[in-house]
This record gives sequence, structure tokens and C-alpha cells, in this order.
Amino acid sequence: GAVVSQHPSRVICKSGTSVKIECRSLDFQATTMFWYRQFPKQSLMLMATSNEGSKATYEQGVEKDKFLINHASLTLSTLTVTSAHPEDSSFYICSARGGRTSGVYEQYFGPGTRLTVT
Amino acid sequence: AQTVTQSQPEMSVQEAETVTLSCTYDTSESDYYLFWYKQPPSRQMILVIRQEAYKQQNATENRFSVNFQKAAKSFSLKISDSQLGDAAMYFCAYIIGFGADGLTFGKGTHLIIQP
Repeated sequence: GAVVSQHPSRVICKSGTSVKIECRSLDFQATTMFWYRQFPKQSLMLMATSNEGSKATYEQGVEKDKFLINHASLTLSTLTVTSAHPEDSSFYICSARGGRTSGVYEQYFGPGTRLTVT
Repeated sequence: AQTVTQSQPEMSVQEAETVTLSCTYDTSESDYYLFWYKQPPSRQMILVIRQEAYKQQNATENRFSVNFQKAAKSFSLKISDSQLGDAAMYFCAYIIGFGADGLTFGKGTHLIIQP
């Protein structure tokens, strides 16, 4: 149980375009989802926290107008990278946490999305 | 701010031997959880083991165990009988309580298993 999927697994886009990444909890209701960013050979850095039905909370230094997060349902959160630039190229990982109602307190990670901006 | 420090960028161990990965953390909180995550080349994050700060007993999961020293803010991972499949990046991570905050990760240790 506690499976989290991400789509797409890889995406290449041109500079200036937008790209959307989906994160889904497949077998539990995720009250909270998290978005992390991982540069090559580096650790995971938390970008934002989203609670279902609420606005996302962004970490210091993360541009909320550039990285749009929507958590419209208990099983789906999306990250949209707007006006992407080559420096946005990275590995984006989501995690999902249930909570009291689902009994899933731990964070379960998706397989990640590799974004390349050309 | 909470910080997690992994001082060993890379470790190497012979297959079937034991290896210990180090982690220290800094926090003023009393209620928190600590984790070790494994990230193989597939980059899928896999939970290896977790420790609740309020528990004195060290957590164990099969060949994996931790040495949790709360006063010293140390949380090391011991892997016994190392196997080729253990080769991966290992990240130590921290979270306040068990609530809605994101994880704070260390920089990671690259574990190499020598056959």
C-alpha cells in the first residue's frame, strides 16, 4: 500500500514554455503533499507544502509565481513550472502524507520527474 | 532552523561486512522523528528506518539498525551483512513531530559495495 505516482517521468520543454507535473496518491487520501527539488549529486530540498483545498506554502527562496502548485483533491497535486528556463532543469519529487483519516502518517515518495529545459 | 549533517560523502564496504553511516542534527525541538532513506540509481526514495525521538530504544529493521544518541544529537545507521543491492545514496532526514511539515535532508552518503 501507500503508492504515489508521478507523471510524466521525463519531460523536455523549450525555454519560455510551461510544464505541468502530476502527483497522485493511488491507494490513500493525501491530506498533505510536498514538492522537492533535487539537483544532480545533491540532496532533496523542500520547495512547498500543499494541503488539499488550501493555498500552498512555499519555502524561502522559491518563487510562488513560477512554481504553481494546486492540490484540488485528496489524491492529486500538480506542480506547474511557468516560463521555464534552463536553470529550472532538475529532478522534481513529490511525496504524500495521509493523516488521521487515512491512517497514513508517513511521507511516501513518488518516482520523480526529470525536467530538461532547452 | 533545523539542520542535518552527513559528514561522509562516500563510504565503501566489502560485501557481507558491516558499515556505519553517520548523521548529526541540530534542533531545539523535543518532539521529532528521524529517518534514513535510500535512493538507488532509479532515484526512487525508499524509507529504510525511522526513529521517534521519544523512544530510547534504537530502531531495527532486519539488517539495518540505528544508534540514536539524543543528547549528542547523533543518529547513525548500521548496515550488517552488506549486500550488492544496498549500493545507493543514503539520506538522513528529520521532521518536527509527525505533522504536516516537509522533511529536512542531509547531503547524503554514497555507499559503494565491493564484491
